[in-house]
Amino acid sequence: QVQLVQSGAEVKKPGASVKISCKASGYTFISYFVHWVRQAPGQGLEWVGLIKPSAGTTTYSQSFQGRVTMTADTSTSTLYLEVTSLTSEDTALYFCAREGMGPLDHWGQGTLVTVS
Amino acid sequence: DIQMTQFPSTLSASIGDRVSITCRASQSISGWLAWYQQKSGKAPTLLIYKASTLESGVPSRFSGSGSGTEFTLSISSLQADDVATYYCQQYDSYSKITFGQGTRLEIK
Repeated sequence: QVQLVQSGAEVKKPGASVKISCKASGYTFISYFVHWVRQAPGQGLEWVGLIKPSAGTTTYSQSFQGRVTMTADTSTSTLYLEVTSLTSEDTALYFCAREGMGPLDHWGQGTLVTVS
Repeated sequence: DIQMTQFPSTLSASIGDRVSITCRASQSISGWLAWYQQKSGKAPTLLIYKASTLESGVPSRFSGSGSGTEFTLSISSLQADDVATYYCQQYDSYSKITFGQGTRLEIK
């Protein structure tokens, strides 16, 4: 079955960077786009961007342009999200999610990033 | 960017009630709309895509309708297990998706 398993919680100081992983299994890794979505405490869902693992091409939300980098390691079927210059406003649960021809049909369990 | 406006923000209803949530797009998105359910502390799960297609395994009491700019998620007979926050999401603007603000559904 399709699974997206994310790395564990992180605590970072303001100004630092964080790199989160999302290991995919149960499907052909290079055949599906993967999106990253974040959710601040008590808030709604915010789209961060997406990556096409087969080519490594990315599209980022303008809100995060210049501060996020998404990469994919096809040898291990793992996606990565790096966020730099962290502030308290980046404290959130970060999800990876597979795109199934439009909708996001499978989600990781989420990685909590706390900036303090 | 396409903006998604969802309402109400909170909905309180009794077990067995029919409930509806509305999502409005700032421009036409044809039928490229999905609905998600998010239970407290968990990842969202896909309920409906292409405005009205039920994802496999989702109970038939859930249904979706609409096209263009106005969409509705309905639950025909509210169950206790349906307590959650519901989000709409457009995917017409390919590679630049947006979510509604969410509707928190409670049992009265």
